[in-house]
Amino acid sequence: QKEVEQNSGPLSVPEGAIASLNCTYSDRGSQSFFWYRQYSGKSPELIMSIYSNGDKEDGRFTAQLNKASQYVSLLIRDSQPSDSATYLCAVKDSSYKLIFGSGTRLLVRP
Amino acid sequence: DGGITQSPKYLFRKEGQNVTLSCEQNLNHDAMYWYRQDPGQGLRLIYYSQIVNDFQKGDIAEGYSVSREKKESFPLTVTSAQKNPTAFYLCASSIGQGRRTEAFFGQGTRLTVV
Repeated sequence: QKEVEQNSGPLSVPEGAIASLNCTYSDRGSQSFFWYRQYSGKSPELIMSIYSNGDKEDGRFTAQLNKASQYVSLLIRDSQPSDSATYLCAVKDSSYKLIFGSGTRLLVRP
Repeated sequence: DGGITQSPKYLFRKEGQNVTLSCEQNLNHDAMYWYRQDPGQGLRLIYYSQIVNDFQKGDIAEGYSVSREKKESFPLTVTSAQKNPTAFYLCASSIGQGRRTEAFFGQGTRLTVV
């Protein structure tokens, strides 16, 4: 079982819709969870971090964490074509390793 | 400007040659990481360091070596033992050993074997 799992996509949504990205992780001792956005050929940029169960909102982005289910998600409201990118879920596990999923490619159709 | 600097941006290696990728940060971060990314794939952890003079192997350390002699520097050497080194290499840093810390990336080095 991979430590951090994501659906590779592509996830295609129309402009203005909500995009929902999901991630599961295997280490129950993990305490820190992150979402990064990566445009083709560029390095990842941090868009959200979450540490406690529940929701965390920042502008059009909402991260959700459920430690009991070992599940993290990212919602992007009012999706724009500029949101088209690969979204990487990352988990800092109980040994302080920062582990990434393989990413979900998001395509926002104008 | 504070940030993480990776150099060079592009690097070409002949087969059988060792090459060293540079990663420097002026953020006063304790922790530093090296990742490898292959086309269409996620990031795989090569080595990480939580503090000066200490580092740990990640998931794909074979064929790579690192050093952490200074807080701001974490160079990665790709040795001739790495049979398929062509990839995008990313360096990241974060503030410390605490779990509630975010990591930030340099611009990456694209290594090609010729």
